[in-house]
Amino acid sequence: EAGVAQSPRYKIIEKRQSVAFWCNPISGHATLYWYQQILGQGPKLLIQFQNNGVVDDSQLPKDRFSAERLKGVDSTLKIQPAKLEDSAVYLCASSLGGAGGYTFGSGTRLTVV
Amino acid sequence: QQQVKQSPQSLIVQKGGISIINCAYENTAFDYFPWYQQFPGKGPALLIAIRPDVSEKKEGRFTISFNKSAKQFSLHIMDSQPGDSATYFCAAPIRALTFGSGTRLQVQP
Repeated sequence: EAGVAQSPRYKIIEKRQSVAFWCNPISGHATLYWYQQILGQGPKLLIQFQNNGVVDDSQLPKDRFSAERLKGVDSTLKIQPAKLEDSAVYLCASSLGGAGGYTFGSGTRLTVV
Repeated sequence: QQQVKQSPQSLIVQKGGISIINCAYENTAFDYFPWYQQFPGKGPALLIAIRPDVSEKKEGRFTISFNKSAKQFSLHIMDSQPGDSATYFCAAPIRALTFGSGTRLQVQP
């Protein structure tokens, strides 16, 4: 089966600019996650979607981050305006739900200068 | 609040040796404990997982040991190979999945 697709793979922006990331999960996976992975750390959940609805966005900095999942398939994560500390790899994952494993994409490496 | 504590931070093992990574958790109500493997430039990939009603699970050279009373679970990699060089994360089903801080394993030929 095809994996989780993410784009772009790399992005360099200046602070205060905006950026958007795109994710296409595995077909049939109802649950989609966005994680932030800062260099040298484990991934940290930003937001979890179940179909179109948000399950958990408690760790999403809502003053600058937003995410949507239209039609329960693709998702976009946006940062506006970006800060230096947003430099990280943004990982998208999907799962069937329950205790099943997550399938991660390769991520988007964001550098804010 | 760190709910999943992983150690060591880094590990160097000779080819053929045993790699051991430990993870401690706080909550007793979890229903499974996975380990993920991450290579540079890639997302984490599920390696092996265990349910708390078993004490050990083995898949090939990879074994998870679970100690419920001590609230710990560990990953053992037998006959470690250079291709096992990666970062390993334990995780617990909090906020979807909460990951440990990672262990960077280097297997020297």
